[in-house]
Amino acid sequence: KAGVTQTPRYLIKTRGQQVTLSCSPISGHRSVSWYQQTPGQGLQFLFEYFSETQRNKGNFPGRFSGRQFSNSRSEMNVSTLELGDSALYLCASRTIPGAHNEQFFGPGTRLTVL
Amino acid sequence: DQQVKQNSPSLSVQEGRISILNCDYTNSMFDYFLWYKKYPAEGPTFLISISSIKDKNEDGRFTVFLNKSAKHLSLHIVPSQPGDSAVYFCAATPQTGANNLFFGTGTRLTVIP
Repeated sequence: KAGVTQTPRYLIKTRGQQVTLSCSPISGHRSVSWYQQTPGQGLQFLFEYFSETQRNKGNFPGRFSGRQFSNSRSEMNVSTLELGDSALYLCASRTIPGAHNEQFFGPGTRLTVL
Repeated sequence: DQQVKQNSPSLSVQEGRISILNCDYTNSMFDYFLWYKKYPAEGPTFLISISSIKDKNEDGRFTVFLNKSAKHLSLHIVPSQPGDSAVYFCAATPQTGANNLFFGTGTRLTVIP
């Protein structure tokens, strides 16, 4: 079974631009979560989508948004990029939400904002 | 506000010896804890978990200990192998309600052959 895939793997943008990242979950997984990883903060939860609905949202500004499609694929968008948005963005999928349902992570998209 | 803390950014251990990675949390609502392992250029992979009704869970060379009163957990790897060299993240979540994971900042483990 194919794992979680994320595209693109690397991205360079400049301040003020916007960016869209894509995540394809493992087949049969309907929940997709997004995390931001930075050196000082570790992994921080952005949001989780399940059945095309945002189920939960972390403490990030409104510039960060996401959506999920009927095939469970998910995208996240960051508008008006800031230097501090440079990070590794990780997507994780699981069958359904639930603490005991293992999350499987993709390799991440490395975003650099210049 | 970091609710899960890993105070040791790095740890070096000789092959064959025990590796002990520590994690502290502040939120009393957390009752399910996980350890993830991350290699460079890969996403984190699940290693082992423990529920708050237990104080120990073992899986092969990996054992997680939970001390609820101290809000502390630790991961023991015995014996350590060079392939264990990676970044280890501790994570916590409530079992009910919104159960997104709260991660620590990670500990880089280096196992020296």
